[in-house]
Amino acid sequence: NAGVTQTPKFQVLKTGQSMTLQCAQDMNHNSMYWYRQDPGMGLRLIYYSASEGTTDKGEVPNGYNVSRLNKREFSLRLESAAPSQTSVYFCASSEARTSGSYEQYFGPGTRLTVT
Amino acid sequence: GESVGLHLPTLSVQEGDNSIINCAYSNSASDYFIWYKQESGKGPQFIIDIRSNMDKRQGQRVTVLLNKTVKHLSLQIAATQPGDSAVYFCAENTGANSKLTFGKGITLSVRP
Repeated sequence: NAGVTQTPKFQVLKTGQSMTLQCAQDMNHNSMYWYRQDPGMGLRLIYYSASEGTTDKGEVPNGYNVSRLNKREFSLRLESAAPSQTSVYFCASSEARTSGSYEQYFGPGTRLTVT
Repeated sequence: GESVGLHLPTLSVQEGDNSIINCAYSNSASDYFIWYKQESGKGPQFIIDIRSNMDKRQGQRVTVLLNKTVKHLSLQIAATQPGDSAVYFCAENTGANSKLTFGKGITLSVRP
């Protein structure tokens, strides 16, 4: 199992350009998440998808859109990149277990710089 | 690239000593807590979790303690090793959905 995979690993954009960050998981999890992480900050939730076909805003959704393409894939789109979106982006997935665990499994991250 | 650990509180410990990393949470409705470790350039990795019906849970070299009265969570690492150097995050869940709310993190630095 590859777990959670993200592409690309690194990206540099100019202000106003658009791009899509890809995420896929092979654990058959229902829930998927997109976070951003800035220096000295914790992980802030951008959007999440509780199940295939549903998406909801998190703490910092402005400037982003998401698509839950199928159960495996959850993409994050920046329509018009801004320097404030320079960050490390993490995708995660989870499945609530009968034991009550809400452990999320994280991908390796995408390091995005907007100039 | 700039480390995510910059500007975070730092705990420095001697190799072989025990480490205690503390976390305060604010939501009294939270009933599930989890600790993650994040090494430089990598995604967070699960360490240990605990439900609110427990006060203590032990793993391999790690123990999590939960004090619901003062809304405090701690992670104890026994015989700290250089490989334990990382940023540590606590996170909580209220049970209303699957979302986790993360703390800002603490950098653990292990001195040889």
